[in-house]
Amino acid sequence: SQTIHQWPATLVQPVGSPLSLECTVEGTSNPNLYWYRQAAGRGLQLLFYSVGIGQISSEVPQNLSASRPQDRQFILSSKKLLLSDSGFYLCAWSDRAYGYTFGSGTRLTVV
Amino acid sequence: AQKITQTQPGMFVQEKEAVTLDCTYDTSDQSYGLFWYKQPSSGEMIFLIYQGSYDEQNATEGRYSLNFQKARKSANLVISASQLGDSAMYFCAIGGTSYGKLTFGQGTILTVHP
Repeated sequence: SQTIHQWPATLVQPVGSPLSLECTVEGTSNPNLYWYRQAAGRGLQLLFYSVGIGQISSEVPQNLSASRPQDRQFILSSKKLLLSDSGFYLCAWSDRAYGYTFGSGTRLTVV
Repeated sequence: AQKITQTQPGMFVQEKEAVTLDCTYDTSDQSYGLFWYKQPSSGEMIFLIYQGSYDEQNATEGRYSLNFQKARKSANLVISASQLGDSAMYFCAIGGTSYGKLTFGQGTILTVHP
C-alpha cells in the first residue's frame, strides 16, 4: 500500500533562518507530488507541484523553493524565513488519477 | 482556472441529525472531479468522498453522500446521523486535468452538539 511520510510535525524557527521540510512516498512510482500551505482557519493554497525528478512548477511567487532529487522525495526549502511563512504545510501525492493522499503536515511557526 | 466556493463558515448540528454542507464550483474543464475532505483539529486531511463529472449517480460512502447537481455547479456534502466525532473543518475541492492539481474552498467548520 502507498504511504506518505512528512517531517517534522512541528517546527519553530527564527526569522531569517533556513528551512527544510521533507516528504517521502512509499509504494508507488513516478507520482505527482505537491506542497500546500494552510494559514490558520483558511483553505489550502498550492505552492509547488512536481510531475517528475527535477521538475518543479511554482504556483505562487514567494520566499520558498522546492526540489525533487529522487522520484519519491519532495523537499520544501527557504534560505531566509519570514514571519509570513508561518502556517501548516502539507505534502501530497497523486498517481495521476483523481485523488490525493496527504501527509500528516508540519506546523511551522516563525518567530 | 477553477474555483470552489463554500459559503458556510460554520455549521451546527444536533447529534444523530443530518447536515448539508454547501459547495459550488466553477471550471472550464469538461472532465473534472469533486472531492470532500475532513480536517480534524490534528490537521490531517481525511478523504471522504469523490464525484466524477461524468458520473450519473451521486456518490455515497457510508454516512456521506454527495448531492451533485451539474447544471447548478453544486456538490453539496450530506452527512447523515451526525456523530460527535464529525466535528471538524470540511473542505470541498475540485481537480481538473492539469496535473491533478486540486483547488480547495475556504472550508466549513462543523460542530456537532450532543
